Amino acid sequence: QQQVKQSPQSLIVQKGGISIINCAYENTAFDYFPWYQQFPGKGPALLIAIRPDVSEKKEGRFTISFNKSAKQFSLHIMDSQPGDSATYFCAARNTGNQFYFGTGTSLTVIP
Amino acid sequence: NAGVTQTPKFQVLKTGQSMTLQCAQDMNHEYMSWYRQDPGMGLRLIHYSVGAGITDQGEVPNGYNVSRSTTEDFPLRLLSAAPSQTSVYFCASTWDLSTDTQYFGPGTRLTVL
Repeated sequence: QQQVKQSPQSLIVQKGGISIINCAYENTAFDYFPWYQQFPGKGPALLIAIRPDVSEKKEGRFTISFNKSAKQFSLHIMDSQPGDSATYFCAARNTGNQFYFGTGTSLTVIP
Repeated sequence: NAGVTQTPKFQVLKTGQSMTLQCAQDMNHEYMSWYRQDPGMGLRLIHYSVGAGITDQGEVPNGYNVSRSTTEDFPLRLLSAAPSQTSVYFCASTWDLSTDTQYFGPGTRLTVL
């Protein structure tokens, strides 16, 4: 059973557009929600992360929106660039220090 | 710092063979973990360690063994490889899970025939 559900599976966006990736969870014991970016042949790298006591966190063009009551969080990439083309994973950590990952979203930004 | 290193990058095994995937980090991180990545499944935690001499099971531990004799190294052993273990394996480390990100290695692509 997937503990963190991620959508969409793939996303195509025009350069300059907004990319939005959504994740949902059920386990209220999750206390840390990172997003990872992965390029082909590489390991995932942390992009941005949020804790459940904050509703939004912004770092440059990347924003996490967090809705604790709905148990949902999303990644917004503003002014998407071709260099943002990668696979994005949301994740959640439980209080036992175990991470659960979403199934990934393949983002393609068209020039 | 080399960060998190993994060897080998690629490996082909026959069913029933055993092997060890190596992982090392030079950042003095206490927490290390192993994940497998399969298409459409994301990353799934196999085993993790919160310090030398301490290991615990993750989400998918069956068929894998780990040990942590030093802070730097965290090898993953496949005792009797099965085709279901064909995957890309990532090692990750962090100093403190409550404050720090996990740093991932470059991965090992394993094929079991």
